[in-house]
Amino acid sequence: AQSVTQLGSHVSVSEGALVLLRCNYSSSVPPYLFWYVQYPNQGLQLLLKYTSAATLVKGINGFEAEFKKSETSFHLTKPSAHMSDAAEYFCAVSEGRGSTLGRLYFGRGTQLTVWP
Amino acid sequence: EAGVTQFPSHSVIEKGQTVTLRCDPISGHDNLYWYRRVMGKEIKFLLHFVKESKQDESGMPNNRFLAERTGGTYSTLKVQPAELEDSGVYFCASSQGGQDVIEKLFFGSGTQLSVL
Repeated sequence: AQSVTQLGSHVSVSEGALVLLRCNYSSSVPPYLFWYVQYPNQGLQLLLKYTSAATLVKGINGFEAEFKKSETSFHLTKPSAHMSDAAEYFCAVSEGRGSTLGRLYFGRGTQLTVWP
Repeated sequence: EAGVTQFPSHSVIEKGQTVTLRCDPISGHDNLYWYRRVMGKEIKFLLHFVKESKQDESGMPNNRFLAERTGGTYSTLKVQPAELEDSGVYFCASSQGGQDVIEKLFFGSGTQLSVL
């Protein structure tokens, strides 16, 4: 069975500091991996995705994530936090096979706070 | 182009009442998904429509939940009778077929359901 673990339900950083949001997954087959962001009163927005191409994936707003199979991890990073990055971030996995292709398994989310 | 639209954005009902949530997917999207997030927990898959057919409803909690997608356009999710544990945010997502199922999955902003 697939599962996603996001370490830390809340992360606080200063503006300009490194952002690191952790995600570990379990999957019985090579997965598709995603990071979504939710700003207040908005829907989930795709930040980036890993779909078996390059292991270092670049997304929108300066975020990137690296797929590490040996560690079953897909941590999200951004070199320099901006106030506008304050939001809730969700890691998700899909086994991406057959009829379950679009069925995602999400982590519990990490609320990112950015201090001025 | 309009995104995935959900309404109402908020609904407050009493235990035992009936509530119907609606989702309008992006025009032309055959795949429609319902997800739910109970407070403090992960976002969980409820069910998947392909056009008007239920492809996968294994995530539906119990028979108090009824989802429909008449004509393969908008979808409704009815909870009858509502219980306290049904409170949470209900998300809808849609995508086209083929690889876009996983590559381009768009989420609505959700319906916050509170059962008192």
